[in-house]
Amino acid sequence: KAGVTQTPRYLIKTRGQQVTLSCSPISGHRSVSWYQQTPGQGLQFLFEYFSETQRNKGNFPGRFSGRQFSNSRSEMNVSTLELGDSALYLCASSEGTGGPVRETQYFGPGTRLLVL
Amino acid sequence: SQQGEEDPQALSIQEGENATMNCSYKTSINNLQWYRQNSGRGLVHLILIRSNEREKHSGRLRVTLDTSKKSSSLLITASRAADTASYFCATQPWAGTASKLTFGTGTRLQVTL
Repeated sequence: KAGVTQTPRYLIKTRGQQVTLSCSPISGHRSVSWYQQTPGQGLQFLFEYFSETQRNKGNFPGRFSGRQFSNSRSEMNVSTLELGDSALYLCASSEGTGGPVRETQYFGPGTRLLVL
Repeated sequence: SQQGEEDPQALSIQEGENATMNCSYKTSINNLQWYRQNSGRGLVHLILIRSNEREKHSGRLRVTLDTSKKSSSLLITASRAADTASYFCATQPWAGTASKLTFGTGTRLQVTL
């Protein structure tokens, strides 16, 4: 099976702009989670979507949002970008229905966002 | 916020030596997982240990879990240069949902020839 793919891989934006990142999960996986990785805060959970519904949410402001489509592909959007949003954004997919194998999350290569 | 700490923050060893890294966490968990990350790229899943398990092996990897101390350790035996990477532990707080992994701070492992 093909792995998790994320597009674009690199992105440069300026403060105040918005950005949309895309994630295609492994075929058959219904859960997609998003994480932000920065040198200062490390890896932090943003949110998870399962069957087009947000199932879990981390402690991020409302500028961070996401959605999931019927084919399980997911997008996350960050509006009114701030310098501190510069980070590696990682998407992970899993079957999402419990059990030790299904609980394993498979990560994509990430989108590196730079806000100037 | 992060679940806990990993130590050491950085570890440098020679090829063939064993590498041990430790992870501590704060809340009760359903399982603990270890991931590897090469140079700021995506995370690769290494091993998952359930809260009712104490030890697990996978190839050159050995993971232990002590829920009474809220700690885990990852042992990589006979390290290779290709093992050079950052290693993260991540905890999942409850059963039934596959998400919301809470990551540790990571250990940077350097394996030299």
